[in-house]
Amino acid sequence: SDELTQPPSVSVSPGQAARITCSGDGLLKQHVQWYQQKPGQAPVLVIYKDSERPSGIPERFSGSSSGTIVTLTISGAQAEDEADYYCQSSDTSVPVIFGGGTKLTVL
Amino acid sequence: QVQLQESGPRLVKPSQTLSLTCTVFGASISSGGHYWSWIRQPAGKGLEYIGRVFTSGSTRYNPSLKSRVFISVDSSKNEFSLRLVDVTAADTAVYYCAREATSGSNWIDSWGQGTLVTVSS
Repeated sequence: SDELTQPPSVSVSPGQAARITCSGDGLLKQHVQWYQQKPGQAPVLVIYKDSERPSGIPERFSGSSSGTIVTLTISGAQAEDEADYYCQSSDTSVPVIFGGGTKLTVL
Repeated sequence: QVQLQESGPRLVKPSQTLSLTCTVFGASISSGGHYWSWIRQPAGKGLEYIGRVFTSGSTRYNPSLKSRVFISVDSSKNEFSLRLVDVTAADTAVYYCAREATSGSNWIDSWGQGTLVTVSS
């Protein structure tokens, strides 16, 4: 199956923009989703179909795509955004594949 | 608002079968429109997709687990189940049941709280 590659960690200062990338050859054909997971909690969908935001997700979360790289941007990151973030896509053999996850630190 | 709740034994012995059930509240499995899925996460590690079932009973599994996994649905009880046979310590993880969109993008829009299953003698 295709692999999705994420940086292990990203750090930003409060109020700055946080950008987390996800890359994979299959992303030319498939949409990407993003999930936020805080310690001890289940993941929460924050972006689907590359750039759509579910209801209840703050506007500071946005997604974009360029070729085989997709990016989750958190504009004006806040302390409450500190979490692990996972990208997710699909391929022909596995309907759901996840990236390795990125730990976002806001300090 | 849909809610999912995992239930089942939290401790399983090596070589035995892990069995979990997910009860769905606030949505009907039989209405179609979604897949019903299992995902797991070993402590400190990332998410791994196990597989899914549709209301018809059709399934699709992660090839890495396909030989050991069985997912079934009981629409009359509005629940679906996971069986993982011949488990080892490597199967110790938090197991999540989830609802998966049926569009081509296959996003997970609802998750259970997760249940930790430990494989140990």
